[in-house]
Amino acid sequence: DAKTTQPPSMDCAEGRAANLPCNHSTISGNEYVYWYRQIHSQGPQYIIHGLKNNETNEMASLIITEDRKSSTLILPHATLRDTAVYYCIVRPYNTDKLIFGTGTRLQVFP
Amino acid sequence: GAVVSQHPSRVICKSGTSVKIECRSLDFQATTMFWYRQFPKQSLMLMATSNEGSKATYEQGVEKDKFLINHASLTLSTLTVTSAHPEDSSFYICSASTSGGAEETQYFGPGTRLLVL
Repeated sequence: DAKTTQPPSMDCAEGRAANLPCNHSTISGNEYVYWYRQIHSQGPQYIIHGLKNNETNEMASLIITEDRKSSTLILPHATLRDTAVYYCIVRPYNTDKLIFGTGTRLQVFP
Repeated sequence: GAVVSQHPSRVICKSGTSVKIECRSLDFQATTMFWYRQFPKQSLMLMATSNEGSKATYEQGVEKDKFLINHASLTLSTLTVTSAHPEDSSFYICSASTSGGAEETQYFGPGTRLLVL
């Protein structure tokens, strides 16, 4: 299974863009990249996922490099409510399982 | 988005008793549900995968006789912690997905905090 590497923590000023990197250099061609976040004492919340192309939804944008070895989750205008642990997960193509790593703790400050 | 609920949200029980946690998909049918456990300051750990109408598949190191999982319908899965002990105190989270496939998205419940005294 492809492993992911994320920085343990990041800070971001409120109103600014938060760019959360993820390295997944061993990803296979048919494995999707998923992003979830977990606000303290809650269940994880789905954010976005992608395979090759960049993706955007109402929550965030996902930029995947051409070689697919890394990706960046972008929160365009971070708010205090975006403070959470963000998990980048590579999902094996032949399973429904999501294996969570340690994630990035994003702290948005006023 | 799809909504998954859990009940109860928190439970306190005495050592040696059993506790049942329910996980429901409210607006979709979930052929597959997952159970996770999360200790303080740690990440989520997958415990088991359950498919409607069949036995659950447990991850390595998870005792199937201690953590009983039932997925009797397309909208309900239950996790029963049998003979609970203080070390079972944790945050238990379920998730649900529909038909599977390479692009299937899992939606998570709000979690159940279990404290065993």
